[in-house]
Amino acid sequence: DGGITQSPKYLFRKEGQNVTLSCEQNLNHDAMYWYRQDPGQGLRLIYYSQIVNDFQKGDIAEGYSVSREKKESFPLTVTSAQKNPTAFYLCASSSLGFSSGTEAFFGQGTRLTVV
Amino acid sequence: SQQGEEDPQALSIQEGENATMNCSYKTSINNLQWYRQNSGRGLVHLILIRSNEREKHSGRLRVTLDTSKKSSSLLITASRAADTASYFCATDSRHDYKLSFGAGTTVTVRA
Repeated sequence: DGGITQSPKYLFRKEGQNVTLSCEQNLNHDAMYWYRQDPGQGLRLIYYSQIVNDFQKGDIAEGYSVSREKKESFPLTVTSAQKNPTAFYLCASSSLGFSSGTEAFFGQGTRLTVV
Repeated sequence: SQQGEEDPQALSIQEGENATMNCSYKTSINNLQWYRQNSGRGLVHLILIRSNEREKHSGRLRVTLDTSKKSSSLLITASRAADTASYFCATDSRHDYKLSFGAGTTVTVRA
């Protein structure tokens, strides 16, 4: 089955810790994205990557870091510099850049809670 | 910053009724898409409409786009309980590889 997989589904972080959220896709998509969703709000773009070994900051990149060493994988690290990390994190992929008119495929999300 | 804004924020209808929600955006777009999100899950793509299209249908869904007003509407006909979800519009532009989402409309279909 082709798809995009996020893990873990739930994650708890202590104050001052870094945590890494996993995102893997087997759709052979070039582009991958990380979004953050807070209650009652839309999705805000954290980082995106159009090709391996390249990525760009989105609208709310501060306190986050990413890597794109493989086409299939786009992990997101939430660092201790992110002051309010409790949120629902969604990873997405698409075959081309969105300006080409392609749809996004989303994972099931990771709910991160600071304890 | 969010590009799209959905209206209304929440909608409650009886099963069998139609549900209409609107999306307004600020800057020129290439394409506009609508997605559905069930509670606590990822988003699922529903339909895409290009900037040179005015109307598109897919099953019980009808999408319109008015680029002069920078707005779109999504109509769900003959709603079912399974249509209960949040609906988001998303836009992209010629100069940007990002997909920008609005805050969504939460639809509740009562049996």
